[in-house]
Amino acid sequence: DVQLVESGGGLVKPGGSLRLSCAASGFTFSSFTMNWVRQAPGKGLEWVSSISASSINLYYADSVKGRFTISRDNAKNSLLLQMNSLRAEDTAVYYCARVLGYCSPTACSPLASWGLGTLVAVSS
Amino acid sequence: YVLTQPPSVSVAPGQTASITCAGDDIGGYSVHWYQQKPGQAPVVVVYDDYERPSGIPERFSGSNSGNTATLTITGVDAGDEADYYCQVWDRTSDHQGYVFGGGTKVTVL
Repeated sequence: DVQLVESGGGLVKPGGSLRLSCAASGFTFSSFTMNWVRQAPGKGLEWVSSISASSINLYYADSVKGRFTISRDNAKNSLLLQMNSLRAEDTAVYYCARVLGYCSPTACSPLASWGLGTLVAVSS
Repeated sequence: YVLTQPPSVSVAPGQTASITCAGDDIGGYSVHWYQQKPGQAPVVVVYDDYERPSGIPERFSGSNSGNTATLTITGVDAGDEADYYCQVWDRTSDHQGYVFGGGTKVTVL
């Protein structure tokens, strides 16, 4: 079974940094595009970032571009999100998610597998 | 790219719920639909406009044409009460990435 387990969330002050991790198992991690999606308390889903299987293609939402960096370690089956210059509006549950199958610059299959999420709270 | 959903839809048990997702020429995109229950991660119920993942009942169906995609749930029961989100991949060169609709809360009366 596919398993995705996020970690690294917590309380951080505005302007601070945090690094999220996602440990993947149950599938060939190096074959799939991976994503981060967040959900602020009581709000809807917001896609944050995507990274292709070989790390060649990286995509970011405008709201995090220049502040967040996505990366992966295929040898360790691990997805990472480095978050810098954090703001109050970054407060959310952050989910790690795997695509169902295909993903190209022009189209991507849905996010078929999700972790349980890790909470990031940005507050002074 | 912006996807617009109605904030809420109410439906009686056994009836049909239709949830729309509006976007400019959305018919030219592959639309995915998610169901999210409180405290849980989202689950795909329809993908690529009308395909259903294994384990999703036939009561869930999708269509997509012109400027509107629709998720239809027939024979609604209490277990279908949840938030539903549509999603596409924005292929615009400057804004490539997933886009979610704002979500629709389905209430079973």
